[in-house]
Amino acid sequence: DGGITQSPKYLFRKEGQNVTLSCEQNLNHDAMYWYRQDPGQGLRLIYYSQIVNDFQKGDIAEGYSVSREKKESFPLTVTSAQKNPTAFYLCASSTVGETQYFGPGTRLLVL
Amino acid sequence: AQSVTQPDIHITVSEGASLELRCNYSYGATPYLFWYVQSPGQGLQLLLKYFSGDTLVQGIKGFEAEFKRSQSSFNLRKPSVHWSDAAEYFCAVGGLTGGGNKLTFGTGTQLKVEL
Repeated sequence: DGGITQSPKYLFRKEGQNVTLSCEQNLNHDAMYWYRQDPGQGLRLIYYSQIVNDFQKGDIAEGYSVSREKKESFPLTVTSAQKNPTAFYLCASSTVGETQYFGPGTRLLVL
Repeated sequence: AQSVTQPDIHITVSEGASLELRCNYSYGATPYLFWYVQSPGQGLQLLLKYFSGDTLVQGIKGFEAEFKRSQSSFNLRKPSVHWSDAAEYFCAVGGLTGGGNKLTFGTGTQLKVEL
């Protein structure tokens, strides 16, 4: 089945810890995106990548980092610099200029 | 800068009643417009999209939306709501300007369906 997978479904972060969220797609899409969702605020773009080994900051990139070493993978690291990481994180992919399709999300909680 | 306004945070309708969710956008060029639906704790599912052509677009689950350039609107409609339509609905605008297909989302409308 073609689609986007995100893991884990729930992730717990301790103070000062970096954590990495996984996003994999087998849709052969060139572009991938990370969004953060908070109640009442819709989705906000963190980072996006249109091609392997290249990515751009979105609207709220501070405290986050990404890599794009493979076309099908776009992991997001939430660093200790992100002081308010509790949120629902959504990954999406698309052919450039076309519709974005979303994964099931990862909920990050702070211990 | 592009932006989306969904003026209704919550809407409650009776099952079988008609539905209209409002969406107004700001975009400097020809917009791409989308409606997505999200059930609690889930990802977003595409309902429908407008890229060009016919301004009335049909989507899944019996939804439709009309693009009105003069009003900068892209309202979502359904003639008869089912209890399973209860969810949160997001309008989004994007395009090819600025590189890629960056989407800007509205803050969402929570739909409650009364039986």
